[in-house]
Amino acid sequence: KQEVTQIPAALSVPEGENLVLNCSFTDSAIYNLQWFRQDPGKGLTSLLLIQSSQREQTSGRLNASLDKSSGRSTLYIAASQPGDSATYLCAVTNNQAGTALIFGKGTTLSVSS
Amino acid sequence: EAGVAQSPRYKIIEKRQSVAFWCNPISGHATLYWYQQILGQGPKLLIQFQNNGVVDDSQLPKDRFSAERLKGVDSTLKIQPAKLEDSAVYLCASSHYGSPVRAGGKLFFGSGTQLSVL
Repeated sequence: KQEVTQIPAALSVPEGENLVLNCSFTDSAIYNLQWFRQDPGKGLTSLLLIQSSQREQTSGRLNASLDKSSGRSTLYIAASQPGDSATYLCAVTNNQAGTALIFGKGTTLSVSS
Repeated sequence: EAGVAQSPRYKIIEKRQSVAFWCNPISGHATLYWYQQILGQGPKLLIQFQNNGVVDDSQLPKDRFSAERLKGVDSTLKIQPAKLEDSAVYLCASSHYGSPVRAGGKLFFGSGTQLSVL
């Protein structure tokens, strides 16, 4: 059974700092991996999607990497801003047709000005 | 493009009462999902529809939860009777293609319904 773990559970950093969020998964037979952002009281917004054949994806100040063989992904946020404060969730799709996303518990990020 | 619409935003009920949530996916999206997110946890899939057929309801507590997607468009999730442990945010999501695998996994989420069972 696929399990997704995110470390740390919470992180506080001053504005301007670069930071890394970690995600690990137990079954390497994934189709893709996604990073989502969730603001309090809101739904989820997809940030980056990495297909299993890819090593990384970039969007603005965000960079996500994937090492399928070791079951790990990282989300790198450069030059953090207070507006980055949110919960970041990692989710995988197993390599079977029709399966839905399996989520980790998330990392809650607080960026202080 | 309009997003995934959900209602109500908040609901407070007493245990053993019934409650229903509604979701209208993005127009043209074939696949619809209901997720349950308990405080401090990641979302857990309850049920997945493709058009008006059920693809996966293995984690749906069928003794108290039910869901339907008539005409393959909007969907309703019902809980009857509710228990204290059902307190959570219920998220609806949709994707364009028949499965997230073929679609490349792009899901669009609604804002959710926050349920409190007292």
